[in-house]
Amino acid sequence: EAGVAQSPRYKIIEKRQSVAFWCNPISGHATLYWYQQILGQGPKLLIQFQNNGVVDDSQLPKDRFSAERLKGVDSTLKIQPAKLEDSAVYLCASSLVTNTEAFFGQGTRLTVV
Amino acid sequence: AQSVTQLDSQVPVFEEAPVELRCNYSSSVSVYLFWYVQYPNQGLQLLLKYLSGSTLVESINGFEAEFNKSQTSFHLRKPSVHISDTAEYFCAVSETGGFKTIFGAGTRLFVKA
Repeated sequence: EAGVAQSPRYKIIEKRQSVAFWCNPISGHATLYWYQQILGQGPKLLIQFQNNGVVDDSQLPKDRFSAERLKGVDSTLKIQPAKLEDSAVYLCASSLVTNTEAFFGQGTRLTVV
Repeated sequence: AQSVTQLDSQVPVFEEAPVELRCNYSSSVSVYLFWYVQYPNQGLQLLLKYLSGSTLVESINGFEAEFNKSQTSFHLRKPSVHISDTAEYFCAVSETGGFKTIFGAGTRLFVKA
């Protein structure tokens, strides 16, 4: 069974630029999560999809972050414009049943300079 | 709303010694509990989980955790650690019937030879 795929693995951008991350979850997993993990902290949920509907985006900075999940499968997370404090690892995860075991991708390490 | 506290940010231990990583949670309803492990430059992997039934759960690589409802704890233990256990460990909680999983800040386990 293929795992959760994310790209790119690393990205360096200047502040005020835009960036996009892509995630392909495990086939058949209805729930998809995007987490932000700042160095030295635990993952913080940014947005959670159930199929292609948003279940929770209460911690997504909506003035600069956006996410979509096309046809209930792949998802993209965009930041525009980026700030220095957005430097973090962005983790995508998926689960068959909401709030049980989540399977994580390797993450995208974003550095904003 | 639920919350998770991991009481130790770092735990250094010698190889073959026992270890306990502490996790306490707060919730007004029944919960699911998880321990995830993160190796350097990797995403999170599920180590073990408590959903229901026996309060003592075990992983395939010798870790175990016990759900203690009265003390709202889910401490992770291993009787004899290996160098390869060096990683960051995250405790997580979700409310049964809820949608959100909350992660603790993590405990960095460092196993010394």
